Amino acid sequence: DQQVKQNSPSLSVQEGRISILNCDYTNSMFDYFLWYKKYPAEGPTFLISISSIKDKNEDGRFTVFLNKSAKHLSLHIVPSQPGDSAVYFCAAVISGSARQLTFGSGTQLTVLP
Amino acid sequence: DTEVTQTPKHLVMGMTNKKSLKCEQHMGHRAMYWYKQKAKKPPELMFVYSYEKLSINESVPSRFSPECPNSSLLNLHLHALQPEDSALYLCASSQGASWSGANVLTFGAGSRLTVL
Repeated sequence: DQQVKQNSPSLSVQEGRISILNCDYTNSMFDYFLWYKKYPAEGPTFLISISSIKDKNEDGRFTVFLNKSAKHLSLHIVPSQPGDSAVYFCAAVISGSARQLTFGSGTQLTVLP
Repeated sequence: DTEVTQTPKHLVMGMTNKKSLKCEQHMGHRAMYWYKQKAKKPPELMFVYSYEKLSINESVPSRFSPECPNSSLLNLHLHALQPEDSALYLCASSQGASWSGANVLTFGAGSRLTVL
């Protein structure tokens, strides 16, 4: 049973527009959430995170929103750039856990020039 | 140095072969991990080493044998693998093995394994 789900395997967006990537989770024990970006032939790289005590975290063009009641988070990229084209993984973790991250299945974002 | 280096990038092996995947980091991280990723699937945790001791084995078959010779190196020894073991094997490291907000995983680029 997947505890972290990304229901959209792919998303295409025009350059300059907003990209919204969604993630749902089922385990209410998760209290920290992260987004990783993965280019082909590279390992995942950390992008942005949010603690469950917040509902928004912003870092430049990237903003993550957390809705705990809906067990839903989203990553907004504004404005989208062709270099943002990659697979984006949502991940969740329980603080103090030694098992680290539970990943979603990823969303392939393609930003069209 | 902020990288995790994995070798080889690609490996093709037969079911009777013995091979090893290697991982190295020089960030002073004390936790190291092996993940397995199949196509269009999320990375799945296999092993966690904390301070050079195996702390988590996620019920991985014994044909995969991890080894942590020192705090900078992590190996994955492979023997008698099956074709379904073909996947991308990712190594990662973090400052410690217990999660905290600053304890972000740094991944290597992965080793693409094909078992014939």
